[in-house]
Amino acid sequence: QLQLQESGPGLVKPSETLSLTCTVSGGSISGSDDYWGWIRRPPGKGLEWIGNIHSTGSAYYDPSLKSRVTISVDTSKNQFSLDLSSVTAADTAVYYCARRRSRSAYAYWGQGTLVTVSS
Amino acid sequence: SYELTQPPSVSVSPGQAARITCSGDALPDHYTYWYQQKSGQAPVLVIYEDSKRPSGIPERFSGSSSGTEATLTINGAQVDDEADYYCYSTDSSDNHRQLFGGGTKLTVL
Repeated sequence: QLQLQESGPGLVKPSETLSLTCTVSGGSISGSDDYWGWIRRPPGKGLEWIGNIHSTGSAYYDPSLKSRVTISVDTSKNQFSLDLSSVTAADTAVYYCARRRSRSAYAYWGQGTLVTVSS
Repeated sequence: SYELTQPPSVSVSPGQAARITCSGDALPDHYTYWYQQKSGQAPVLVIYEDSKRPSGIPERFSGSSSGTEATLTINGAQVDDEADYYCYSTDSSDNHRQLFGGGTKLTVL
């Protein structure tokens, strides 16, 4: 059974970079049909798609975050990562990593990790 | 930019049918997917490709799509179905961009 687990700091200061890693177990991150994504849910708001990456390294981001987001993949560690720069309080959210198949939706999710942006 | 529009809330009594809609101009060209998210938990896919149900999802969950509107129906809603529901699809002009609707809070009481 595929499992995903987010890890990273739970508190980030304003203007700094939020960095999270998703570790994949029970399957390979190198599947040719798989896309690995980041989604977040700010408190009191709905789900927001941040972006996703293929194991080849091709990444796609939501236009609203594109200038601040980088998603990368490390196939040797079976991990992928999220960097979000210049954070503000508006970036406070539960961050999820997830997997979808090409032309499909995210069927496997991590449990989520709360990241708070505060000084 | 392209958006998927859902009603903020829907309320039904136990045993009634709950219907949640999702509208978007590109829905005729792209599948709609539906997620259930209960408090403190990760989202769970309950409908994929407009109307298909993943294994383990109760038969009372069904989906349909017509034109620019997709609908999630929960027949005989139960108290345990109380959750936030999100539709999900692909951007009309950028096939790489995925997006969620704003979410609908389903209350069953």
